[in-house]
Amino acid sequence: AQTVTQSQPEMSVQEAETVTLSCTYDTSESDYYLFWYKQPPSRQMILVIRQEAYKQQNATENRFSVNFQKAAKSFSLKISDSQLGDAAMYFCAYRSPMITGNQFYFGTGTSLTVIP
Amino acid sequence: GAGVSQTPSNKVTEKGKYVELRCDPISGHTALYWYRQSLGQGPEFLIYFQGTGAADDSGLPNDRFFAVRPEGSVSTLKIQRTERGDSAVYLCASSLLSRPTGEEAFFGQGTRLTVV
Repeated sequence: AQTVTQSQPEMSVQEAETVTLSCTYDTSESDYYLFWYKQPPSRQMILVIRQEAYKQQNATENRFSVNFQKAAKSFSLKISDSQLGDAAMYFCAYRSPMITGNQFYFGTGTSLTVIP
Repeated sequence: GAGVSQTPSNKVTEKGKYVELRCDPISGHTALYWYRQSLGQGPEFLIYFQGTGAADDSGLPNDRFFAVRPEGSVSTLKIQRTERGDSAVYLCASSLLSRPTGEEAFFGQGTRLTVV
């Protein structure tokens, strides 16, 4: 099974500053999908950004962007101009292109605090 | 419905009792997933449905856990002879297609199960 590792249990950032959350993964597949999900206290997981492994260009969604390093199996999330509403748990997730193992594999999460 | 709905939101049960957790996915979504999230951990895969059938139940921890989706929409996760270690948040997610793609999964707000 694929493993996803988030080595930063907690991170903090000053409001309006930039923060980067780290994620590495282990896979033998050449094509796959990567996601960052946000989980606020309401518990509902919300998609932040996604990346397809065959695309070399890093995905961006407004203030959120990723640094995808396929050879290093690294997928970090950069949040620019941090806002109070960004405070949440952030989970990195891997999805296989195969029917078997169509599930999402999640890391253990990073708790982000935004300091006013 | 507009989103994935899970009921109940919270459930407290006594050790040894039987519980059912319900998930109502987004209308038209073929794929449905159940995950379990223990405190301080990422979601852990339990079972995946394609339509009415369980395509992958490799994550169910033992035979006390069972899930059904008889008409290809609503799913019920059933836990027999509950144990204190079953206490967790149970998340349900759905996605439009059954075949693996880069599409996101939409999550419900989960059911927090507490076994006392």
